[in-house]
Amino acid sequence: AQSVTQLGSHVSVSEGALVLLRCNYSSSVPPYLFWYVQYPNQGLQLLLKYTTGATLVKGINGFEAEFKKSETSFHLTKPSAHMSDAAEYFCAVSDRGFKTIFGAGTRLFVKA
Amino acid sequence: KAGVTQTPRYLIKTRGQQVTLSCSPISGHRSVSWYQQTPGQGLQFLFEYFSETQRNKGNFPGRFSGRQFSNSRSEMNVSTLELGDSALYLCASSLASESPLHFGNGTRLTVT
Repeated sequence: AQSVTQLGSHVSVSEGALVLLRCNYSSSVPPYLFWYVQYPNQGLQLLLKYTTGATLVKGINGFEAEFKKSETSFHLTKPSAHMSDAAEYFCAVSDRGFKTIFGAGTRLFVKA
Repeated sequence: KAGVTQTPRYLIKTRGQQVTLSCSPISGHRSVSWYQQTPGQGLQFLFEYFSETQRNKGNFPGRFSGRQFSNSRSEMNVSTLELGDSALYLCASSLASESPLHFGNGTRLTVT
């Protein structure tokens, strides 16, 4: 069975600082991995995805993530945080069984 | 292209009642998934439909049911509502199982 673990339910950074949100997964098959962002009172929006190919994936709003099979990780990074990045971030894995499993989410706070 | 549309946005129901939520996917998307989001449990998978067939189901009681119509629109129904059913219900559509999910803004259900 697939599962996703996001380390840290809350992360706080200063504006301009590095953002690092951690995600580890387990999957019995080569996974499809995703990061989504959710703003208050809205649904989730796709930030980036990994299916096959290049392990460093670039997404929207300056975010990127690296798929590391040996570490079963898919951490999300952004070099310089902006106030508008404050939101909840979800890592997700698709098991190809017509189901996407989400992590518990990490709420990102950005301090001025 | 119009996004995923969920109606209604807000619902207040009483324990014991039933409720039907509606979801119109992005044009051309034949897969529709439903999720329940609560502060304590995060995003929990309810079920996935493709071409009117349920292909996968989460661990929810039989009070939760869904269906998909020939135009890919989907509905989910919750019967005999309980206080614990209060949640944000999110619908998402996609082109294929490995494709990202496109979410609606959700229906917030409050059971009193």
